[in-house]
Amino acid sequence: EPEVTQTPSHQVTQMGQEVILRCVPISNHLYFYWYRQILGQKVEFLVSFYNNEISEKSEIFDDQFSVERPDGSNFTLKIRSTKLEDSAMYFCASSVTGYSNQPQHFGDGTRLSIL
Amino acid sequence: AQKITQTQPGMFVQEKEAVTLDCTYDTSDQSYGLFWYKQPSSGEMIFLIYQGSYDEQNATEGRYSLNFQKARKSANLVISASQLGDSAMYFCAMRVDSGGGADGLTFGKGTHLIIQP
Repeated sequence: EPEVTQTPSHQVTQMGQEVILRCVPISNHLYFYWYRQILGQKVEFLVSFYNNEISEKSEIFDDQFSVERPDGSNFTLKIRSTKLEDSAMYFCASSVTGYSNQPQHFGDGTRLSIL
Repeated sequence: AQKITQTQPGMFVQEKEAVTLDCTYDTSDQSYGLFWYKQPSSGEMIFLIYQGSYDEQNATEGRYSLNFQKARKSANLVISASQLGDSAMYFCAMRVDSGGGADGLTFGKGTHLIIQP
Protein backbone atom coordinates (compact mmCIF):
# COMPACT_ATOMS: atom_id res chain seq x y z
CA GLU A 1 0.00 0.00 0.00
CA PRO A 2 1.37 3.45 -0.89
CA GLU A 3 2.58 5.47 2.06
CA VAL A 4 3.95 8.85 3.02
CA THR A 5 7.65 8.69 3.82
CA GLN A 6 9.52 11.15 6.01
CA THR A 7 13.23 11.66 6.53
CA PRO A 8 15.05 11.75 8.82
CA SER A 9 13.24 9.83 11.54
CA HIS A 10 15.14 11.78 14.19
CA GLN A 11 16.93 15.12 13.85
CA VAL A 12 19.04 16.72 16.55
CA THR A 13 19.93 20.38 15.98
CA GLN A 14 21.57 23.16 17.94
CA MET A 15 19.34 26.08 18.91
CA GLY A 16 19.52 28.84 16.35
CA GLN A 17 20.30 26.53 13.45
CA GLU A 18 18.11 25.92 10.44
CA VAL A 19 16.57 22.52 9.84
CA ILE A 20 14.83 21.00 6.82
CA LEU A 21 12.41 18.14 7.24
CA ARG A 22 11.62 16.10 4.17
CA CYS A 23 8.55 14.23 3.02
CA VAL A 24 7.54 12.21 -0.01
CA PRO A 25 3.73 12.24 -0.23
CA ILE A 26 1.69 9.47 -1.83
CA SER A 27 2.20 9.79 -5.57
CA ASN A 28 -1.37 10.52 -6.75
CA HIS A 29 -2.16 12.87 -3.86
CA LEU A 30 -2.46 16.56 -4.61
CA TYR A 31 -2.72 18.12 -1.15
CA PHE A 32 0.08 18.11 1.39
CA TYR A 33 0.20 19.06 5.05
CA TRP A 34 2.52 19.53 7.97
CA TYR A 35 1.50 18.96 11.59
CA ARG A 36 3.34 19.25 14.87
CA GLN A 37 2.96 17.22 18.06
CA ILE A 38 4.78 18.46 21.12
CA LEU A 39 5.53 15.58 23.46
CA GLY A 40 2.42 14.50 25.35
CA GLN A 41 0.18 17.00 23.59
CA LYS A 42 -2.30 16.89 20.77
CA VAL A 43 -1.47 17.11 17.11
CA GLU A 44 -1.56 20.66 15.72
CA PHE A 45 -2.04 21.74 12.12
CA LEU A 46 0.70 23.92 10.66
CA VAL A 47 0.10 24.34 6.94
CA SER A 48 -1.53 22.87 3.84
CA PHE A 49 -0.10 23.09 0.33
CA TYR A 50 -1.66 22.69 -3.08
CA ASN A 51 -0.61 23.52 -6.60
CA ASN A 52 2.78 24.79 -5.44
CA GLU A 53 1.45 27.29 -2.98
CA ILE A 54 0.24 27.48 0.59
CA SER A 55 -3.49 26.80 0.83
CA GLU A 56 -4.09 27.34 4.54
CA LYS A 57 -1.89 27.98 7.54
CA SER A 58 -2.37 28.16 11.28
CA GLU A 59 -1.20 30.89 13.64
CA ILE A 60 1.71 28.64 14.59
CA PHE A 61 3.08 28.86 11.04
CA ASP A 62 4.85 32.19 11.28
CA ASP A 63 7.83 33.62 9.41
CA GLN A 64 10.11 31.10 11.06
CA PHE A 65 8.57 28.37 8.91
CA SER A 66 8.44 27.81 5.17
CA VAL A 67 7.38 24.98 2.90
CA GLU A 68 8.47 24.03 -0.57
CA ARG A 69 7.99 21.39 -3.20
CA PRO A 70 11.43 21.51 -4.83
CA ASP A 71 10.71 18.75 -7.32
CA GLY A 72 7.91 16.42 -8.36
CA SER A 73 8.16 14.18 -5.32
CA ASN A 74 9.56 15.95 -2.25
CA PHE A 75 7.74 18.29 0.10
CA THR A 76 9.84 20.07 2.69
CA LEU A 77 9.37 22.04 5.89
CA LYS A 78 12.12 24.51 6.77
CA ILE A 79 12.45 25.90 10.26
CA ARG A 80 14.81 28.84 10.63
CA SER A 81 16.53 29.97 13.84
CA THR A 82 15.27 26.99 15.79
CA LYS A 83 14.21 27.43 19.41
CA LEU A 84 13.98 24.95 22.25
CA GLU A 85 10.20 25.00 21.98
CA ASP A 86 10.39 23.77 18.39
CA SER A 87 11.26 20.34 19.77
CA ALA A 88 8.38 18.10 18.68
CA MET A 89 7.32 15.33 16.36
CA TYR A 90 6.59 16.74 12.91
CA PHE A 91 4.20 14.83 10.70
CA CYS A 92 3.73 15.18 6.99
CA ALA A 93 0.40 14.09 5.50
CA SER A 94 -1.21 13.98 2.10
CA SER A 95 -4.69 13.56 0.64
CA VAL A 96 -6.17 13.10 -2.79
CA THR A 97 -8.35 16.20 -2.57
CA GLY A 98 -8.85 19.04 -0.14
CA TYR A 99 -12.41 18.08 0.73
CA SER A 100 -13.44 16.99 4.20
CA ASN A 101 -14.44 13.50 3.00
CA GLN A 102 -10.87 12.58 2.16
CA PRO A 103 -8.67 11.11 4.90
CA GLN A 104 -5.21 12.48 5.30
CA HIS A 105 -2.55 9.82 5.34
CA PHE A 106 0.34 10.50 7.67
CA GLY A 107 4.00 9.63 7.53
CA ASP A 108 5.81 8.11 10.50
CA GLY A 109 7.03 11.54 11.60
CA THR A 110 10.35 13.21 12.25
CA ARG A 111 11.28 13.70 15.87
CA LEU A 112 13.06 17.05 16.11
CA SER A 113 15.18 17.69 19.18
CA ILE A 114 16.60 21.19 19.68
CA LEU A 115 19.54 21.41 22.08
CA ALA B 1 -13.33 27.49 14.77
CA GLN B 2 -13.69 23.79 15.39
CA LYS B 3 -13.16 21.96 18.64
CA ILE B 4 -12.78 18.29 19.49
CA THR B 5 -13.22 17.02 23.05
CA GLN B 6 -12.07 13.63 24.23
CA THR B 7 -12.96 13.25 27.89
CA GLN B 8 -11.19 9.95 28.61
CA PRO B 9 -7.46 10.53 29.05
CA GLY B 10 -6.91 6.82 29.68
CA MET B 11 -8.80 3.54 29.60
CA PHE B 12 -8.05 -0.01 30.70
CA VAL B 13 -10.01 -2.77 28.95
CA GLN B 14 -9.83 -6.54 29.15
CA GLU B 15 -8.80 -8.33 25.99
CA LYS B 16 -11.73 -9.45 23.81
CA GLU B 17 -14.10 -6.91 25.32
CA ALA B 18 -15.64 -4.14 23.25
CA VAL B 19 -14.53 -0.60 23.99
CA THR B 20 -16.05 2.78 23.24
CA LEU B 21 -13.88 5.87 22.98
CA ASP B 22 -15.79 9.12 23.35
CA CYS B 23 -15.53 12.13 21.08
CA THR B 24 -17.66 15.25 20.92
CA TYR B 25 -17.15 18.06 18.47
CA ASP B 26 -18.19 21.61 17.96
CA THR B 27 -18.50 23.44 14.66
CA SER B 28 -20.88 25.85 13.00
CA ASP B 29 -20.14 24.38 9.58
CA GLN B 30 -22.67 22.03 7.97
CA SER B 31 -20.23 20.08 5.84
CA TYR B 32 -17.45 18.33 7.72
CA GLY B 33 -15.71 15.03 8.18
CA LEU B 34 -14.85 13.18 11.36
CA PHE B 35 -11.83 10.90 11.59
CA TRP B 36 -10.20 8.56 14.06
CA TYR B 37 -6.47 7.92 14.11
CA LYS B 38 -4.42 5.42 16.10
CA GLN B 39 -0.97 6.30 17.38
CA PRO B 40 1.00 3.31 18.74
CA SER B 41 3.95 3.83 21.04
CA SER B 42 6.21 3.82 17.97
CA GLY B 43 4.68 7.20 17.07
CA GLU B 44 3.14 6.85 13.63
CA MET B 45 -0.41 8.06 12.93
CA ILE B 46 -2.67 5.43 11.41
CA PHE B 47 -6.01 6.38 9.82
CA LEU B 48 -8.81 4.14 11.09
CA ILE B 49 -12.23 5.38 10.04
CA TYR B 50 -14.12 8.32 8.54
CA GLN B 51 -17.67 9.65 8.94
CA GLY B 52 -19.13 12.43 6.82
CA SER B 53 -21.59 14.93 8.25
CA TYR B 54 -24.19 14.00 5.66
CA ASP B 55 -23.74 10.25 5.99
CA GLU B 56 -26.88 8.62 7.33
CA GLN B 57 -25.26 5.29 8.11
CA ASN B 58 -22.63 4.82 10.77
CA ALA B 59 -19.23 4.05 9.28
CA THR B 60 -17.67 0.62 9.81
CA GLU B 61 -14.19 -0.70 9.01
CA GLY B 62 -13.55 -4.23 10.19
CA ARG B 63 -13.55 -4.20 14.01
CA TYR B 64 -13.96 -0.42 14.06
CA SER B 65 -17.29 1.36 13.92
CA LEU B 66 -18.23 4.95 14.48
CA ASN B 67 -21.32 5.76 16.51
CA PHE B 68 -22.34 9.06 14.92
CA GLN B 69 -25.00 11.08 16.70
CA LYS B 70 -25.24 14.34 14.82
CA ALA B 71 -27.77 16.06 17.07
CA ARG B 72 -25.54 15.41 20.07
CA LYS B 73 -22.39 16.24 18.07
CA SER B 74 -20.73 13.03 19.07
CA ALA B 75 -18.65 10.57 17.06
CA ASN B 76 -17.61 7.74 19.35
CA LEU B 77 -15.27 5.01 18.16
CA VAL B 78 -16.27 1.45 18.99
CA ILE B 79 -13.67 -1.31 18.83
CA SER B 80 -15.16 -4.77 18.97
CA ALA B 81 -13.31 -7.79 20.36
CA SER B 82 -10.29 -5.79 21.51
CA GLN B 83 -6.80 -7.21 21.01
CA LEU B 84 -3.49 -6.54 22.75
CA GLY B 85 -2.31 -4.77 19.60
CA ASP B 86 -5.08 -2.20 20.02
CA SER B 87 -3.14 -0.62 22.91
CA ALA B 88 -2.30 2.87 21.68
CA MET B 89 -3.32 6.53 21.74
CA TYR B 90 -6.50 7.22 19.81
CA PHE B 91 -7.23 10.64 18.38
CA CYS B 92 -10.53 11.98 17.14
CA ALA B 93 -10.21 14.69 14.49
CA MET B 94 -12.39 16.77 12.24
CA ARG B 95 -12.09 18.83 9.12
CA VAL B 96 -14.56 21.23 7.54
CA ASP B 97 -15.20 22.25 3.98
CA SER B 98 -14.46 25.92 4.22
CA GLY B 99 -15.08 26.49 0.54
CA GLY B 100 -11.61 27.85 0.04
CA GLY B 101 -8.40 26.08 0.76
CA ALA B 102 -7.59 22.70 2.20
CA ASP B 103 -8.19 23.04 5.91
CA GLY B 104 -6.12 21.01 8.29
CA LEU B 105 -7.46 18.53 10.77
CA THR B 106 -8.41 19.66 14.26
CA PHE B 107 -7.45 17.01 16.79
CA GLY B 108 -8.62 16.15 20.26
CA LYS B 109 -6.18 15.47 23.09
CA GLY B 110 -6.50 11.74 22.65
CA THR B 111 -7.36 8.68 24.74
CA HIS B 112 -4.66 6.29 25.87
CA LEU B 113 -6.15 2.81 25.55
CA ILE B 114 -4.49 -0.12 27.28
CA ILE B 115 -5.73 -3.64 26.58
CA GLN B 116 -5.04 -6.05 29.41
CA PRO B 117 -4.67 -9.83 28.88
